Amino acid sequence: KQEVTQIPAALSVPEGENLVLNCSFTDSAIYNLQWFRQDPGKGLTSLLLIQSSQREQTSGRLNASLDKSSGRSTLYIAASQPGDSATYLCAVTSGNTPLVFGKGTRLSVIA
Amino acid sequence: GAGVSQSPRYKVAKRGQDVALRCDPISGHVSLFWYQQALGQGPEFLTYFQNEAQLDKSGLPSDRFFAERPEGSVSTLKIQRTQQEDSAVYLCASSVSGRSYYEQYFGPGTRLTVT
Repeated sequence: KQEVTQIPAALSVPEGENLVLNCSFTDSAIYNLQWFRQDPGKGLTSLLLIQSSQREQTSGRLNASLDKSSGRSTLYIAASQPGDSATYLCAVTSGNTPLVFGKGTRLSVIA
Repeated sequence: GAGVSQSPRYKVAKRGQDVALRCDPISGHVSLFWYQQALGQGPEFLTYFQNEAQLDKSGLPSDRFFAERPEGSVSTLKIQRTQQEDSAVYLCASSVSGRSYYEQYFGPGTRLTVT
């Protein structure tokens, strides 16, 4: 059974810092991996989707990498801003299976 | 264009009441998913529709949970005889095609509180 772990559970950084969020999964036979953002009381917003054949995806200040063989992904946020404060969720799917989510990392960026 | 919408946004039910939660997916999206998110946890899969066909209901926690999508568009998640452990945010997502190959777009969720 696929399990997704996110470390750390919570993170507080001063504005302007670069930071890395970690995601690991137990079954490396994934089809794709997605990073989502969730603001309090809101739904999920997809940030980046990495297909299993890809190594990384970039969008603005966000860069996600995928190492399928080791079961790891990282989300790199450059020059963090207070508006980046949210919970970041990682999810994987193994082809014809539902998304399996981690518990998320709660990020606070302090001005 | 409009995204995924859900109603109501908040629902308070007394233990034992039945509730119905509605999801309006993005127009033309073939696939629709329901997830349950308990406080401090990631979303957990409940059920999946492709058009009107419910292809996977393996995540429904008990036979008190029932979902339908009769015309392949709007979906309703019904919970009968609600229990306190049903308190959670219920998220709906849709995607243009397929089960997992395509990006899922999420609605804002319905927060259910059972008292």
